[in-house]
Amino acid sequence: QSVLTQPPSASGTPGQRVTISCSGSSSNVGSHAVNWYLQLPGTAPKLLIHSTNQRPSGVPDRFSGSKSATSASLAISGLQSEDEADYYCAAWDAGLDGYVFGSGTKVTVL
Amino acid sequence: EVQLVESGGGLVQPGGSLRLSCATSGFTFSGYDMLWVRQAPGKGLEWVSSIDTSDDTFYAVSVRGRFTVSRENAKSSLYLQMNNLGVGDTAVYFCARGGPWSSSSLPEFWGQGILVTVSS
Repeated sequence: QSVLTQPPSASGTPGQRVTISCSGSSSNVGSHAVNWYLQLPGTAPKLLIHSTNQRPSGVPDRFSGSKSATSASLAISGLQSEDEADYYCAAWDAGLDGYVFGSGTKVTVL
Repeated sequence: EVQLVESGGGLVQPGGSLRLSCATSGFTFSGYDMLWVRQAPGKGLEWVSSIDTSDDTFYAVSVRGRFTVSRENAKSSLYLQMNNLGVGDTAVYFCARGGPWSSSSLPEFWGQGILVTVSS
């Protein structure tokens, strides 16, 4: 069971906005930066958001990250077919003295 | 271009050992924290171990005492020695470079992954 809880699935039609939550605690999300990763089947994860709300160069501005208390969120606006993938959040956990990943959310474009 | 290439995976019997290697290029290896992350078949990502630029090491509870991470800056390489392997260690193992951010050393770049299968 993952320390960070994400909904198992999310979906939307092309052009819609989809939001994925990442629920943690004061020892991880509540006090440390959150990263978000996208993973296509059979491939390595790719960084989407670092430091809770920063986009690396090359990542479209359709992707945005935010955090409130012990919950982080990834928003995908203007959903596109190529956004179909698994999405994971991650953060340092001071209680475990290690990094923790979310359970993952599969995004489907209807 | 940052590149990370894992090697050393394969089939091993329960109780056996395996040593993974990760050859890197395209960046100053000694200046970055490095990580191992694994993904069991059909499951999510699980952080395994990290080693920082001072050679301080960190391990997930599930592998502590069995796995040892190390780095060789002269060869720009990262290693993971895995002992007393169990079927629960079956996974694709990813080598990753930590980010340059002050906020954390979570992965920025990832290797393609290497499959480790523990089975009799």
